[in-house]
Parts: sequence; C-alpha cells; structure tokens
Amino acid sequence: GAVVSQHPSWVICKSGTSVKIECRSLDFQATTMFWYRQFPKQSLMLMATSNEGSKATYEQGVEKDKFLINHASLTLSTLTVTSAHPEDSSFYICSARVGSPSETQYFGPGTRLLVL
Amino acid sequence: GQNIDQPTEMTATEGAIVQINCTYQTSGFNGLFWYQQHAGEAPTFLSYNVLDGLEEKGRFSSFLSRSKGYSYLLLKELQMKDSASYLCARMDSNYQLIWGAGTKLIIKP
Repeated sequence: GAVVSQHPSWVICKSGTSVKIECRSLDFQATTMFWYRQFPKQSLMLMATSNEGSKATYEQGVEKDKFLINHASLTLSTLTVTSAHPEDSSFYICSARVGSPSETQYFGPGTRLLVL
Repeated sequence: GQNIDQPTEMTATEGAIVQINCTYQTSGFNGLFWYQQHAGEAPTFLSYNVLDGLEEKGRFSSFLSRSKGYSYLLLKELQMKDSASYLCARMDSNYQLIWGAGTKLIIKP
C-alpha cells in the first residue's frame, strides 16, 4: 500500500517552455500532497503544500506564478513549471499523506528536469 | 536543514553495524522520521519515532530521546545495497517535515 507515482520520470525541454509534472496516489486518497525540489548532493527543499480543493501554500522564496500547483482530486496533484529556465533544472519529488497531519509522507519516484 | 544535524558521510564494512546520529531542535516537536534515499531516487520511509525509546524493524532500528533532541538509526548486518543517503527529518508543530542534509553511507566489502 501507499504507492505514489509521478509522471514523467525525465523531462528535457528548451528554455521558455512550460513543463507539467503529475503526482498520483495509486492506492489511497491523499488529503495533502507536497512538492519538493532537490539539487545534487543537497537536502530536500519543500516548495509547497497542497490540499485537495484549495490553493497551495508556498514556501518562502518559491514563486507561485512560476510553479503552478493544482490539486484537483484526492489522488492527483500537478506541478507546472512555467517558462522554465536552466536554473530550474532539478529533481522534483512529490509526496502524499493520508489522514492526519502526523501521518507518514510517501514519496513518488521523482521527476528529473533538464532545461537546455 | 533548519537545526537538524547529522554527519555528512560515514563508511562501514559489509556485515558490520553502523549508527547514524541526528540531533535536532526540540521545540515544536511532533515526531522524528528516517528515510533512505539511493542516488538518483526518491526517499523511502524507514521509521517514525514520537515516543522515547528504541523501535526495531528487522535489520534497522531507530532510537529517540526527546529531552536530548537526539535520534539514531542503527543498521545491522550491513549489505552492499544499504549504501545510500539516510535522511533525518523532524516534524514541527505545524506538522511540516524539516529535513537534515542527509548522511551518505558507504559500505565497503
């Protein structure tokens, strides 16, 4: 149980294009989903927290107009990187939590984004 | 990470035991998580401690002392596949995870 998928696994795109990443909880309903970014050899950095049906809460320093998050259902959240630039190249990982806030977060496999 | 300290790198021998320590800020504490992350992959959940003491799960055990702001992950009978980064994360009063930078564990034959 508690399987989270992400799609796509890898994205290579040109600078200026937009990229959409999907995060799905496959066998449970996720009340809350999280989006992280991780640069090489660095820790996970929380970008935003999204609850189904409401606006995402962004961490300080994360541009909400650049990183659009839609949590339309209890099993799907999407992150769109708008007008991507080379500095946005990173490993983007989502996680999902079921039930109460103290519950464990389960991670998707991650999406590696390379912007040329 | 914010006030989460763990060693950057450790080396151990296959078949041996290794203990990875983590110290954290004690205010606003709602539990301590350990995750394993292999290179290029997402983290996978290992353990969660919210009360003091030792939790054992097969070859892996996790210990917590809330008064000391201290946890450790103990790995026994090390296997080559245990080579990975081990992330310590504290859940704060808002139920958000505050992540350490991770400890890279290198297993040698």
